[in-house]
Amino acid sequence: AQTVTQSQPEMSVQEAETVTLSCTYDTSESNYYLFWYKQPPSRQMILVIRQEAYKQQNATENRFSVNFQKAAKSFSLKISDSQLGDTAMYFCALDGGTSYGKLTFGQGTILTVHP
Amino acid sequence: DTGVSQNPRHKITKRGQNVTFRCDPISEHNRLYWYRQTLGQGPEFLTYFQNEAQLEKSRLLSDRFSAERPKGSFSTLEIQRTEQGDSAMYLCASSSGTSGDTEAFFGQGTRLTVV
Repeated sequence: AQTVTQSQPEMSVQEAETVTLSCTYDTSESNYYLFWYKQPPSRQMILVIRQEAYKQQNATENRFSVNFQKAAKSFSLKISDSQLGDTAMYFCALDGGTSYGKLTFGQGTILTVHP
Repeated sequence: DTGVSQNPRHKITKRGQNVTFRCDPISEHNRLYWYRQTLGQGPEFLTYFQNEAQLEKSRLLSDRFSAERPKGSFSTLEIQRTEQGDSAMYLCASSSGTSGDTEAFFGQGTRLTVV
């Protein structure tokens, strides 16, 4: 069975500062994919960033980057220069590679960006 | 392309009634997923379609739940004899291609309240 754990129920950050959201996971698959999704209040979930497990290089998308530690099964999200629009619930998710794109989600972290 | 569309957005029903939700995926997306999300939690996988074939069902999907995707286009999720524990957000997502290397696009969800 696959599991994803987000141990930070809530985080807050001042505008323009940097924040890191944590995620750990477990899977028996040799190749898999990891994602961070953003769910703004009352709006649909959108993909923030993805990482393929056998790519050594950490993924980066503009102000968003990940720290992927495969041996430790850790996948954290760093948001730089935080903006008010980053306020949302963030979910870490795992696609086990052989599961046809089925995602296992963590419990989520509510991020609030303060002006 | 207007993205993944779900209807209705909100549904209030009395316990014991049947409800049906509809999901229109992004056109030409061959994969369609249903998830259930309870308040403050991450989405949980319910079922998955590749074109019109339902390839996997979660143990969460009791006999009261049924999903269809006729002709591989839109999908419906029906809940019979609703219970208060069915109250949740029901999310639909669609994607194309093989797992992980394409993005899953989510709809805004249908929020079900069973009273």
